[in-house]
Amino acid sequence: EDKVVQSPLSLVVHEGDTVTLNCSYEVTNFRSLLWYKQEKKAPTFLFMLTSSGIEKKSGRLSSILDKKELFSILNITATQTGDSAVYLCAAPAYSGAGSYQLTFGKGTKLSVIP
Amino acid sequence: KAGVTQTPRYLIKTRGQQVTLSCSPISGHRSVSWYQQTPGQGLQFLFEYFSETQRNKGNFPGRFSGRQFSNSRSEMNVSTLELGDSALYLCASSPTGLLVTIDEQFFGPGTRLTVL
Repeated sequence: EDKVVQSPLSLVVHEGDTVTLNCSYEVTNFRSLLWYKQEKKAPTFLFMLTSSGIEKKSGRLSSILDKKELFSILNITATQTGDSAVYLCAAPAYSGAGSYQLTFGKGTKLSVIP
Repeated sequence: KAGVTQTPRYLIKTRGQQVTLSCSPISGHRSVSWYQQTPGQGLQFLFEYFSETQRNKGNFPGRFSGRQFSNSRSEMNVSTLELGDSALYLCASSPTGLLVTIDEQFFGPGTRLTVL
């Protein structure tokens, strides 16, 4: 059974701290891993990782994938209150008929306090 | 370009009733996926429609069904509602739903369903 596990489930930090969110996966025919940020309702796409060891960066956010150890991390440096959200990790699994089905982790709820 | 829209945004029903939720994808997107999000189970895949055909289905009972129209708008229906169906229902659209565009899956704001 395809599985994506995130840790920790929740995290409280102070503004300016650096945080690391973890995601491990076991997915049939693994091709990529995706990170989303969910603030109130709709998850918004952050990164897609397909190659091991290559870091993707966007401002203070960065992510890296380890395909050998089957995990990914999302780093956020110099956190701000606007980073408070649930961060979701997902992996598409091929389900036939040319389509993919996203399997999500339960998310890490990050709270950044001033 | 307008985003994914979902209606209604909030809904309260009682056990045993049925409910229909609507999703309008981004213009030009032909794939619509539905997800159920609960605090205990997180985001779980319900089904995906592409060109009016259900292409993919998650592990949910037959009470959950859906359809897609020729303009790519999609509806999902839940019959004989149970308390455990209370959740945020999200739909997401993408151009094709294939892996090369999986990162282009855009989510709508969701419909919050409460079953009393």
